[in-house]
Amino acid sequence: DAGVTQSPTHLIKTRGQHVTLRCSPISGHKSVSWYQQVLGQGPQFIFQYYEKEERGRGNFPDRFSARQFPNYSSELNVNALLLGDSALYLCASSSGTAKMGSNQPQHFGDGTRLSIL
Amino acid sequence: DAKTTQPNSMESNEEEPVHLPCNHSTISGTDYIHWYRQLPSQGPEYVIHGLTSNVNNRMASLAIAEDRKSSTLILHRATLRDAAVYYCILRDLAGGTSYGKLTFGQGTILTVHP
Repeated sequence: DAGVTQSPTHLIKTRGQHVTLRCSPISGHKSVSWYQQVLGQGPQFIFQYYEKEERGRGNFPDRFSARQFPNYSSELNVNALLLGDSALYLCASSSGTAKMGSNQPQHFGDGTRLSIL
Repeated sequence: DAKTTQPNSMESNEEEPVHLPCNHSTISGTDYIHWYRQLPSQGPEYVIHGLTSNVNNRMASLAIAEDRKSSTLILHRATLRDAAVYYCILRDLAGGTSYGKLTFGQGTILTVHP
């Protein structure tokens, strides 16, 4: 079975531009989470979606937004890019309901490396 | 989220056991202890989790202290492929607003020598 897939794998943008990152979860997984990982640090939680609804949001500005589609794939959008947005963006999917979810392992993709010039 | 404390780095030799410690003195009764690892140039990978009892799976063992204020991830025979950053994470069973959230710390960088 295919794991979590993310596209693109690498992306270069300039300050002020916007970017859309895409994620396809493992088949059957209805929950998708997004994380930002700056070099040398652990991943930081951005968003979590379950059944197309936002279920959690980390401490990120409104320039960051996301959505989940009926097939449970997801997009992360970042507007007005800043140099500090350069990072590895990770998507994770998991199974289970909202009640069970906290105990279900999250399965990560290998991320999109975003570089801002 | 309750905080965890791990050593910044550890070293091991190939085919020897590795014990990775984690302190979580403020753990609550509904917090599960999860371990993930991140190999170079890859996303994090789930390793194991537990609540009170020790747990074993094909990848590792998790030993949980009786008072639950610390735990140890055990790799029985380290291989070069086990070189990674290991993260110890507490997850609230109740979920709620923290449902999808993993709170990663700095983790422990494990180096395995041939």
